[in-house]
Amino acid sequence: DQQVKQNSPSLSVQEGRISILNCDYTNSMFDYFLWYKKYPAEGPTFLISISSIKDKNEDGRFTVFLNKSAKHLSLHIVPSQPGDSAVYFCAASGYNFNKFYFGSGTKLNVKP
Amino acid sequence: DTEVTQTPKHLVMGMTNKKSLKCEQHMGHRAMYWYKQKAKKPPELMFVYSYEKLSINESVPSRFSPECPNSSLLNLHLHALQPEDSALYLCASSQGQGAFNYGYTFGSGTRLTVV
Repeated sequence: DQQVKQNSPSLSVQEGRISILNCDYTNSMFDYFLWYKKYPAEGPTFLISISSIKDKNEDGRFTVFLNKSAKHLSLHIVPSQPGDSAVYFCAASGYNFNKFYFGSGTKLNVKP
Repeated sequence: DTEVTQTPKHLVMGMTNKKSLKCEQHMGHRAMYWYKQKAKKPPELMFVYSYEKLSINESVPSRFSPECPNSSLLNLHLHALQPEDSALYLCASSQGQGAFNYGYTFGSGTRLTVV
């Protein structure tokens, strides 16, 4: 049973608009969350992280929001660029940082 | 050097073959990982090495045998695999035990096909 779920397999957004990628988790012991981006034929690339002591973390165009009570996090990309087109994975872990559980990914397509 | 290098990129092997996947990093990371990813599924953790010692084995069948000869190198030895073992095998590394602040650095993977 997947503990981290990304229910939207794909998302299409116009260049310059906001992309919102969602992730839900079931394990209330998860305290640490990461987002990764993956281009075809490459390994995932770390994007941004958040811990449960915060509800928001920003890095440039990327902002991650965490709603612990809803067991939900989201990644906002503003403004979206064609180069952002990739598969985005969220991952979650408890106190054992070595073990992260990954969602199945959302394929983002940013149209010029 | 900020990369994790995996070789080979593609591998086709028979069920009676013995082969090895190789992973290398020179970032001084002390934790290294093997993940397996099937099509349209999330990466699944297989093994974790921390300071060159195996710290996590996710109940992986013995036909997969990891090895960490030194802090920069991680191997995955394959023997008597099954066609269902065909997948993308990803290696990753992180600074020590805490991958949180920096995340993992992943390699581009080895696409394995077992025939």
